[in-house]
Amino acid sequence: GENVEQHPSTLSVQEGDSAVIKCTYSDSASNYFPWYKQELGKRPQLIIDIRSNVGEKKDQRIAVTLNKTAKHFSLHITETQPEDSAVYFCAASSGNTGTASKLTFGTGTRLQVTL
Amino acid sequence: DGGITQSPKYLFRKEGQNVTLSCEQNLNHDAMYWYRQDPGQGLRLIYYSQIVNDFQKGDIAEGYSVSREKKESFPLTVTSAQKNPTAFYLCASSHWTSGRAGYNEQFFGPGTRLTVL
Repeated sequence: GENVEQHPSTLSVQEGDSAVIKCTYSDSASNYFPWYKQELGKRPQLIIDIRSNVGEKKDQRIAVTLNKTAKHFSLHITETQPEDSAVYFCAASSGNTGTASKLTFGTGTRLQVTL
Repeated sequence: DGGITQSPKYLFRKEGQNVTLSCEQNLNHDAMYWYRQDPGQGLRLIYYSQIVNDFQKGDIAEGYSVSREKKESFPLTVTSAQKNPTAFYLCASSHWTSGRAGYNEQFFGPGTRLTVL
């Protein structure tokens, strides 16, 4: 089955700096890579996703890059703000026909944005 | 994601007892999922269901059981066979579209924190 590794487990940045979280996956059939943000005591929420037919996707201060050859993808947050402080999870799915969205999650990165 | 509810928010169980966690959604989603969240281990898939009366084991199904009698409901039973049941349990749901099953966003419920005494 799929295995997703995520690094770092914790990340502390100063407000205004950039943050990068990296994930690798093992199943070359995976073709959908979402990122979820979980604030303390709340449910995970999708913040951005990318499909294997593109190499990069951007939404305001958040961007995700995908390298299918190397089987890794990364989340980039620019101009970080205190409200970006949360745990971020990457995930991978093969998205096969006839199956539900069987996501395999990374172990999470706790991002702390300091003033 | 406000269309998914889980109850109760906190649950305490004595060792040897079965307990059932509720998950309901009014988003008209076909697929539903149960995850377990432990510190430092991310979210691990317990069971998932694509349609009513059908479900499949996830990565850590041992000691758990589910049913899917209605589209809106996907209850999870934590049995006494689960050796370490204390955890945070998250339910999720998504649309299922033929040929695009893996691309549909999963919406999560607020979770149930289960503690075994």
